[in-house]
Amino acid sequence: QQPVQSPQAVILREGEDAVINCSSSKALYSVHWYRQKHGEAPVFLMILLKGGEQKGHDKISASFNEKKQQSSLYLTASQLSYSGTYFCGTDSASGNTPLVFGKGTRLSVIA
Amino acid sequence: NAGVMQNPRHLVRRRGQEARLRCSPMKGHSHVYWYRQLPEEGLKFMVYLQKENIIDESGMPKERFSAEFPKEGPSILRIQQVVRGDSAAYFCASSLMTGRNEKLFFGSGTQLSVL
Repeated sequence: QQPVQSPQAVILREGEDAVINCSSSKALYSVHWYRQKHGEAPVFLMILLKGGEQKGHDKISASFNEKKQQSSLYLTASQLSYSGTYFCGTDSASGNTPLVFGKGTRLSVIA
Repeated sequence: NAGVMQNPRHLVRRRGQEARLRCSPMKGHSHVYWYRQLPEEGLKFMVYLQKENIIDESGMPKERFSAEFPKEGPSILRIQQVVRGDSAAYFCASSLMTGRNEKLFFGSGTQLSVL
């Protein structure tokens, strides 16, 4: 089942912060975050595993609340290079199941 | 160290023709995934293959679509008798292993346009 991302789109000025949410109706084992720039391949950002962990990557961090079946991606002091579409991918079953991606959140950072 | 290579980048076909999309995974990767992307729809899983085996094809239409990943050579996604609704970007991804903490490396995609 496809996870639900919110918001669908957001516009920020450089230096502003944003939060992108990803929620699932199923119990999650892991959540992956990817960013895709227009016309390019999605690029891996980070993985969060079951256990409620939080991870960081430069000024981009994420949390995973397995009880709520939710993950949030935090972008701090946004830069122009952060623009793109952010996808969460969820793994909700055991075994060799591929990731199911949300519809994405389009982030535009303007000067 | 080449990444995931997909070709062609753009493919134009008329209705009823066949489309063949190729994907060479990263060196050393034996797990390949195909996803289809429509505007505003995200990445929809189609099929997951390992060398010479289809592991999961639950996302692939039963008719006209097939995929293979031979012992030698790239993975191929084949669409027979294409229709306008097949127009989309098709992305291939590969991973070293399978498992919850394995990240996917994506290719640049093939944009299929059906006239």
